[in-house]
Amino acid sequence: EVKLLESGGGLVQPGGSLRLSCAASGFTFSSYAMNWVRQAPGKGLEWVSGLSGSGTDTFYADSVKGRFTISRDNSKNTLYLQMDSLRAEDTAVYFCAKSPISQHPYYFEYWGQGTLVTVSS
Amino acid sequence: EIVLTQSPATLSLSPGERATLSCRASQSVRSYLAWYQQKPGQAPRLLIYDTSNRATGIPARFSGSGSGTDFTLTISSLEPEDFAVYYCQQRFIWPPLTFGGGTKVEI
Repeated sequence: EVKLLESGGGLVQPGGSLRLSCAASGFTFSSYAMNWVRQAPGKGLEWVSGLSGSGTDTFYADSVKGRFTISRDNSKNTLYLQMDSLRAEDTAVYFCAKSPISQHPYYFEYWGQGTLVTVSS
Repeated sequence: EIVLTQSPATLSLSPGERATLSCRASQSVRSYLAWYQQKPGQAPRLLIYDTSNRATGIPARFSGSGSGTDFTLTISSLEPEDFAVYYCQQRFIWPPLTFGGGTKVEI
């Protein structure tokens, strides 16, 4: 059974940093692209970033490019999102999501339950 | 960036009725469109990918159709557990991968 468990969310001040983690199990982690998708309170879904299975190819939405960094440790079956220079508009539930193929984000076939990030003073 | 527009915003129906949800793309996405279901407090769930392919474990009452810029998700006979918000998402031109704004199916 595929399981994705996010952690690391919390309250942070504008301009601050936070690192999210997603622990994966139930599949060969290094064989699949992984993603972060967020959802602001009461709003729709927004794709944030994706990463190939090998970790060599990264992809970002313009809204986070230059501020967020996606990475993975295939030896630990864990996906990360380093979030710097946080803004109020980054407040959202952040979901970790697995793609069905190795190279590209594509679609999101499995999701974690999400971790809430609140950016506020 | 491809913009996906979903309609209607809210669909009020009863169990047993047929639901027809629309997703229109600002330019062609060929057949590279997916649908997700999200219930309150839960993560989204993939229903349909590449226009008409049901994801693993998705009941046959869910079906997708369309191509180019106009797509439809049909729920043939609504079950009580189908009342939720539905999102479409394209993967043809990216980054970014984009979602529609959602359609809420309510009783």
